[in-house]
Amino acid sequence: DTGVSQDPRHKITKRGQNVTFRCDPISEHNRLYWYRQTLGQGPEFLTYFQNEAQLEKSRLLSDRFSAERPKGSFSTLEIQRTEQGDSAMYLCASSLEGLGSPLHFGNGTRLTVT
Amino acid sequence: GQQVMQIPQYQHVQEGEDFTTYCNSSTTLSNIQWYKQRPGGHPVFLIQLVKSGEVKKQKRLTFQFGEAKKNSSLHITATQTTDVGTYFCAGRGGATNKLIFGTGTLLAVQP
Repeated sequence: DTGVSQDPRHKITKRGQNVTFRCDPISEHNRLYWYRQTLGQGPEFLTYFQNEAQLEKSRLLSDRFSAERPKGSFSTLEIQRTEQGDSAMYLCASSLEGLGSPLHFGNGTRLTVT
Repeated sequence: GQQVMQIPQYQHVQEGEDFTTYCNSSTTLSNIQWYKQRPGGHPVFLIQLVKSGEVKKQKRLTFQFGEAKKNSSLHITATQTTDVGTYFCAGRGGATNKLIFGTGTLLAVQP
């Protein structure tokens, strides 16, 4: 069990640029979640996958955000035309299927939009 | 939509004092989980409660799930400096599988 890994750890970008983050979940986990966290707040749900299917997406998520999990393993989160308000820590988590399965989080990607 | 609030937002205690954080959901939850996030770290799973009125203990930590399954609490007895961090509750409600996190309680422990 190598844990959930996210890449990059930090990303600084200029407003208007596109960014893409990658998440590699724990290999036997078929559920993968993306959350966003700003300072002093709890993780905010963005979307989740079961295998390659994206089952839920937050209504708060604008059309500039898209996530994929093409082969049911790693996932990417893309933000197009970044805005300063997108600056946050983007957390990925994975879990086994099942209502009570705990989420295992990665260390996150910290995005700064200048 | 579903909202999960926690109080207090921040608690500063002397080492050895007790600490409690309360979690309240706007909707009935199917289960509730608790996570701890150390400063600069990521959330780490502590425990899950499923049944109405359930109480679970982990050493100095006691977790409760309310009878109506809309609230929960975490109590730490005799805090230690290693307890420092933010404690989040997180719950699932209705037909959704998404886990909604509470607003968190930041615990500071003075030695």
